[in-house]
Amino acid sequence: ELKVEQNPLFLSMQEGKNYTIYCNYSTTSDRLYWYRQDPGKSLESLFVLLSNGAVKQEGRLMASLDTKARLSTLHITAAVHDLSATYFCAAENSGNTPLVFGKGTRLSVIA
Amino acid sequence: DSGVTQTPKHLITATGQRVTLRCSPRSGDLSVYWYQQSLDQGLQFLIQYYNGEERAKGNILERFSAQQFPDLHSELNLSSLELGDSALYFCASSVQVNGSPLHFGNGTRLTVT
Repeated sequence: ELKVEQNPLFLSMQEGKNYTIYCNYSTTSDRLYWYRQDPGKSLESLFVLLSNGAVKQEGRLMASLDTKARLSTLHITAAVHDLSATYFCAAENSGNTPLVFGKGTRLSVIA
Repeated sequence: DSGVTQTPKHLITATGQRVTLRCSPRSGDLSVYWYQQSLDQGLQFLIQYYNGEERAKGNILERFSAQQFPDLHSELNLSSLELGDSALYFCASSVQVNGSPLHFGNGTRLTVT
């Protein structure tokens, strides 16, 4: 059974600082997704990582995937308040199993 | 806007009652998923339909049922409601049965009193 673990679950960081969110998954996964959720809102797709070594960047966020270590990271560079949200990673393996989500990392960027 | 429409946005009902949540997928998407989000359990996959057929089942209670209609919209029926069923219920859709990103609706917030 595919399980996905994120850490930390809560993260308070100062504006301008860098930090990394980690996402571990338990079995071979074909794809790794990162989503963002603002309070009371829907989930917005950020990145899809398809292969070992994949790296994607959008603004201050960069996601990477290491399939050998079963690890994905979401790196935040020079955080700004607008990045405050909950970030979820989700993994998918072959067959008919839908996405399995981690518990999410609630990020708060403070001045 | 993801293109996935969920109604109603909010629902308040009493224990023991039955409710129906509705979802219209993005145009062109054949696969519909239902997820339950609660504070203690996170995002839990309930059930998936693809082009009208059930494809995968997750942690869905026997009191819950779903279907996808020929026009591809889907309904999630929750019956004999309990306080613990209070949660945010998301519908998501994707083009393929798997391997493509999920696009989430804005959710239905269910409160059982």
